[in-house]
Amino acid sequence: SYELTQPPSVSVSPGQTASITCSGDRLGDKYVYWYQQRPGQSPALVICQDNRRPSGIPERFSGSNSGNTATLTISGTQDMDEADYYCQAWDSNTVVFGGGTKLTVL
Amino acid sequence: EVQLLESGGGLESPGGSLRLSCAAARFTLSSYSMSWVRQAPGKGLEWVSGISDGGSTAYYADSVKGRFTISRDSSKNTVYLQMNSLRAEDTAVYYCARILSGYLDKTPFYYMDVWGKGTTVTVSS
Repeated sequence: SYELTQPPSVSVSPGQTASITCSGDRLGDKYVYWYQQRPGQSPALVICQDNRRPSGIPERFSGSNSGNTATLTISGTQDMDEADYYCQAWDSNTVVFGGGTKLTVL
Repeated sequence: EVQLLESGGGLESPGGSLRLSCAAARFTLSSYSMSWVRQAPGKGLEWVSGISDGGSTAYYADSVKGRFTISRDSSKNTVYLQMNSLRAEDTAVYYCARILSGYLDKTPFYYMDVWGKGTTVTVSS
């Protein structure tokens, strides 16, 4: 079965740029989605189709996907961005999630 | 604002059954594919099942195949997850999610744009 790998944790200082990676075999051939889950809340879509921001998502969120790696980038990170982030792809009629990355803003 | 509201969670013994419901507000659920995603305590997201907009096609994670059944009732604007032969490892918050799917530049897309608040299922004796 297809697998997506994320780093368990990433730390960033306020105002700096955070990058969260998601790796999978030939991931660049698929669309990648990113979800943000703040503590105690449901997941929320922040990036779709590799690099598109849904309505209401701040411009500081961006995405890329090439080769075997997709990346979620948060520019000018704010305290409110502290959350768990999950990548997702669709493979063989199955939704695949990465293990999640805890973003700490300190 | 479109919403999804899950219900039906609770405490059940191993081997027992539960049926989860997901009601849609301010959109017509029958126009969309729908999915269930779960999250065990302190763990990540795990996709459980999905159903096409017409209800003719259903997909399941290997971990629940043969035990769980997804269905939908357009007249009630509701999607269901029938869970049988429950195990301790099924303990989780279960989220209902609306699916956007299709093809873009000949590449399939399938993702969740609206999520409910979740319902908690606990399987324990």
